[in-house]
Amino acid sequence: GAVVSQHPSWVICKSGTSVKIECRSLDFQATTMFWYRQFPKQSLMLMATSNEGSKATYEQGVEKDKFLINHASLTLSTLTVTSAHPEDSSFYICSAPIAGGSYEQYFGPGTRLTVT
Amino acid sequence: AQSVTQLDSQVPVFEEAPVELRCNYSSSVSVYLFWYVQYPNQGLQLLLKYLSGSTLVKGINGFEAEFNKSQTSFHLRKPSVHISDTAEYFCAVSNMRFGAGTRLTVKP
Repeated sequence: GAVVSQHPSWVICKSGTSVKIECRSLDFQATTMFWYRQFPKQSLMLMATSNEGSKATYEQGVEKDKFLINHASLTLSTLTVTSAHPEDSSFYICSAPIAGGSYEQYFGPGTRLTVT
Repeated sequence: AQSVTQLDSQVPVFEEAPVELRCNYSSSVSVYLFWYVQYPNQGLQLLLKYLSGSTLVKGINGFEAEFNKSQTSFHLRKPSVHISDTAEYFCAVSNMRFGAGTRLTVKP
């Protein structure tokens, strides 16, 4: 079946640095991908919709200059956390919808970001 | 706007007991509804989905859910749980919004 991968699975970085997280659809093309953030023991919060070849659509309250999203190809979307701070530490999950308009998604395994 | 509410944050049950995880939705239009399971430090896996048709939906791992339009509910059920069912369960609607999650803990 379809698989969505994320890289890295976990990353530790120092405050003030930037971190890039990759989300790939492995055996299908995804013109749209979604990025979520999940705090410990909480639900997923939709951050943005990544659109291939165009600008991402950010949810209200999400800083687009801090969370840069690039969807350069039909199989790759990247999320860059710029000038990371400890409060950016979280679990970041991406997903891609399957074709057919049913809104079902394939989720990546997630990336654990820790900012020290 | 569409939204979901999961009524129980934690549900502890004993192994082989039945379980129901509750989800209510709010929508002014037709909805698609989903249940996902998340194991620690992993992404989400689809358990089942309601798109249309039969209101009783069967999913993987022995789970099922019933779409009840009059009660705006989509509760998840399993007649006999296993230790391995211990996980976080999320109800979701078609606009990519998720409920707060229910932590199912199955005890021996």
